[in-house]
Amino acid sequence: VLTQSPGTLSLSPGERATLSCRASQSVSGGYLAWYQQKPGQAPRLLMYGASSRATGIPDRFTGSGSGTDFTLTISRLEPEDFAVYYCQQYGSFALTFGGGTKVEIK
Amino acid sequence: EVQVLESGGGLIQPGGSLRLSCAASGFTFINYALTWVRQVPGKGLEWVSTIGGIGTGTYYTDSVQGRFSISRDNSKNTVYLQMSSLRAEDTAIYYCARSAATGGGLTWVFDYWGQGTLVTVSS
Repeated sequence: VLTQSPGTLSLSPGERATLSCRASQSVSGGYLAWYQQKPGQAPRLLMYGASSRATGIPDRFTGSGSGTDFTLTISRLEPEDFAVYYCQQYGSFALTFGGGTKVEIK
Repeated sequence: EVQVLESGGGLIQPGGSLRLSCAASGFTFINYALTWVRQVPGKGLEWVSTIGGIGTGTYYTDSVQGRFSISRDNSKNTVYLQMSSLRAEDTAIYYCARSAATGGGLTWVFDYWGQGTLVTVSS
């Protein structure tokens, strides 16, 4: 089970966002991904392998962590970053997603 | 340009069957696994099923095992999800997604997604 916190993060543009994803068991190989989803859109891959950015993802997005604790950091929020973020583990079967963190404009 | 397009959703009665299609283009289809992920509107994401590229298998989440069947037609660059014995809890937007790589761990990470097709199971 992946538990994301907080459920909602209220921040202003330019602020730093820190999102947490905690696994109930160690995620093998650091096999953790992050996705961004905006209303009415499909998810978008941001990070994989806990800390590798997907193609085209700006460097204000940083992933870190290992074992059971992972973090997605957005260094300075841009208007387009306000969305819901999901973590996903792929180190063991079945694949699972976290419940999501909504980053909203304060 | 990679594109993934789902179709086949709709309103279906409990116990009924429905087949979803996922047409893909812009990449060497046969080399990639394709996955279905569903999302109850306003809720989180749930992995449903994956079909591997050539020579690999099929995989299902426990709640659909025995009721859903995933297949692919490489001549049509299309993946299907045959859903039967549908339940109210299967109501969701069903997304088709491509694996981020042709093998290894990134088979289970999804870099291109369709816009989804809504399945509503209700009497």
